Amino acid sequence: QVQLVQSGAEVRKPGSSVKVSCKVSGGSFSSFGISWIRQAPGQGLEWMGWIIPIFGRGNYAQNFQDRVTIVADDSRRTAYMELSNLRFEDTAVYYCAGGNEEVGRFDFWGQGTRVTVSS
Amino acid sequence: EIVMTQTPLSLSVTPGQPASMSCKSSQSLLHSDGKTYLYWYLQKPGQPPQLLIYEVSNRFSGVPDRFSGSGSGTDFTLRISRVEAEDVGVYYCMQATQLPPITFGLGTRLEIK
Repeated sequence: QVQLVQSGAEVRKPGSSVKVSCKVSGGSFSSFGISWIRQAPGQGLEWMGWIIPIFGRGNYAQNFQDRVTIVADDSRRTAYMELSNLRFEDTAVYYCAGGNEEVGRFDFWGQGTRVTVSS
Repeated sequence: EIVMTQTPLSLSVTPGQPASMSCKSSQSLLHSDGKTYLYWYLQKPGQPPQLLIYEVSNRFSGVPDRFSGSGSGTDFTLRISRVEAEDVGVYYCMQATQLPPITFGLGTRLEIK
């Protein structure tokens, strides 16, 4: 059974960066498409970007193009999402999600990582 | 960017009664490969979202058959034939036909009367 386990909660100051990890157990990691989706407090879902490890390169939503980097480490079966130049409005729960089917089909989800941006 | 509009914002339903919610996209979700990449996710309170329906009308593994999806082009519907207490949460439609970005609707909140 596939499981996605994310790193723990983070608190950062404005202007700093945060890196969240998502470890995939079970299944074929190299062909596992992983998206990052965030949810601000009391708000809806916002897609940030995705990566398929076998292709190596992340693809990003334009809203985050200059600030987000998504990478995958095959040896650790782990994907990472780094968001830089943090703003107060980046306070949110960040989810990794994905599967081995098409890009938008999120069969499996991580438990979420709360990132708080506070001065 | 394709905008997804969900209605109603909230729904209050008596257990055992049906429920229906709508999702409209600002452009057709029919892909050149002939598929329509429209999904429905349910986020129960305090949990990550979970996949209910993929490609308009296909129930994901383990999803009860009281859930059904339909539609085409720009208009889509999720129906629950008999609502149960465990169905409470926010239902999101999402498109992945034209990306990036993948886009979500704002959600329909289902409550039990």
